[in-house]
Amino acid sequence: KAGVTQTPRYLIKTRGQQVTLSCSPISGHRSVSWYQQTPGQGLQFLFEYFSETQRNKGNFPGRFSGRQFSNSRSEMNVSTLELGDSALYLCASSLDRGMRGYTFGSGTRLTVV
Amino acid sequence: AQTVTQSQPEMSVQEAETVTLSCTYDTSESDYYLFWYKQPPSRQMILVIRQEAYKQQNATENRFSVNFQKAAKSFSLKISDSQLGDAAMYFCAYRSFEGAQKLVFGQGTRLTINP
Repeated sequence: KAGVTQTPRYLIKTRGQQVTLSCSPISGHRSVSWYQQTPGQGLQFLFEYFSETQRNKGNFPGRFSGRQFSNSRSEMNVSTLELGDSALYLCASSLDRGMRGYTFGSGTRLTVV
Repeated sequence: AQTVTQSQPEMSVQEAETVTLSCTYDTSESDYYLFWYKQPPSRQMILVIRQEAYKQQNATENRFSVNFQKAAKSFSLKISDSQLGDAAMYFCAYRSFEGAQKLVFGQGTRLTINP
C-alpha cells in the first residue's frame, strides 16, 4: 500500500515568487491536512481538506491557500514568498479525519532566498 | 485553545535501557485524542501510539507505552529496551474529539540512544 507522497522533496525559490506543493494521500483517505514545520515555531497547522472542501484553516495569511481534487490529491500554494516561509511542509492523510491518527508524507523542504 | 508542552528538549538513554518522555497539555474539553509521533532524520512523522481520553486504560504498542493521567493533563511516553533505531525527534500531539480536526503539537524531544 503506497504511503503519502509529497512532491517535490526539495524546492528553492526567490522572494516574491509563488510555489505549489503537491500531496497524494493514501488510497481511500479523503482527509488531507497540511502542516508547516520550522525550528522556531515548530509544527503548525495550515489547513485541512475533506471531500474537496476546506474544513479547517490555521492562523496563516491569505498567501497560503490550497485545494483538493476529486481523487483526494491536494495542492498547497504560497504566493509572494517571503524568507520566513522557508520550512518543511508536511502533508498528512487520514481515513477518519484523524481519530485514529494521521499518516504523514516525508515533506517538501522549501527554501526561499 | 489547546496547548501541548514538552519540557525536555533533549533526552539520552543507553541502548537497552528505559526512557520516559514527558508531555503535558491544556484543554477544557473532556473528550479528545492524544498521540505520540516519531520523526527520524528521514523527516516522515510516524505514529507511535494513540490514546483516547475517555479510556482509562493506558495504551501500549510493543516496547512503547503511555502513562495517561487525565486529571493532571499528563501524557508521558515510556520506551522500554531502547534500540538505536528509536533515535529521533518525538512529538506529543492533541486532537479534539469534536472541535477543529487538527493536531496541536508540542515542541518535541530529541532522543539520542547511546550504544
